[in-house]
Amino acid sequence: EAEVAQSPRYKITEKSQAVAFWCDPISGHATLYWYRQILGQGPELLVQFQDESVVDDSQLPKDRFSAERLKGVDSTLKIQPAELGDSAMYLCASSLGETGGAETQYFGPGTRLLVL
Amino acid sequence: GQNIDQPTEMTATEGAIVQINCTYQTSGFNGLFWYQQHAGEAPTFLSYNVLDGLEEKGRFSSFLSRSKGYSYLLLKELQMKDSASYLCAVRDSNYQLIWGAGTKLIIKP
Repeated sequence: EAEVAQSPRYKITEKSQAVAFWCDPISGHATLYWYRQILGQGPELLVQFQDESVVDDSQLPKDRFSAERLKGVDSTLKIQPAELGDSAMYLCASSLGETGGAETQYFGPGTRLLVL
Repeated sequence: GQNIDQPTEMTATEGAIVQINCTYQTSGFNGLFWYQQHAGEAPTFLSYNVLDGLEEKGRFSSFLSRSKGYSYLLLKELQMKDSASYLCAVRDSNYQLIWGAGTKLIIKP
């Protein structure tokens, strides 16, 4: 069964350091999403890609966060510098990217980030 | 603003039935999703409703009433492994998913 891959699964860093997360969506999925989820809350969309183009990054803190999907397949989310408040689960999801229909999002296992 | 409301926590007994409610106020409606999320893991897709009525999938069923802005997830024959958070999400007129905070379901033997 096709799955969304993410790495690393866990990351511990000190504040002011740089961190990067990687995501490989399900093959053939044109749309890729990065979410941040704080314990006890629902996922918060950070950025959405359609192929290599950013569709929505309105909630991405652009002073420290960046995301890219250069070839429209895998994607990297970077934080520089990391702050204590960035400690959270970072989830990647993908969907087919077709208009109409369910357009269900499938999630990877997530990266749990702890900033000390 | 856009809002999804779910109970924060529910408790049920193994073998019983539980109903988790979700009410929403969004800018338009293009479908409602239920996801299950075990502690420390990613959400997994459970169900999708876009028309009014009941969708049944094994022990899980999901109901939608668009006129009332209301949905519920019904879990039958509860098992200990059903202990998880259940997330309700609505796709709005811009095809963006608006997420609820989730309902933590605790199953007791």
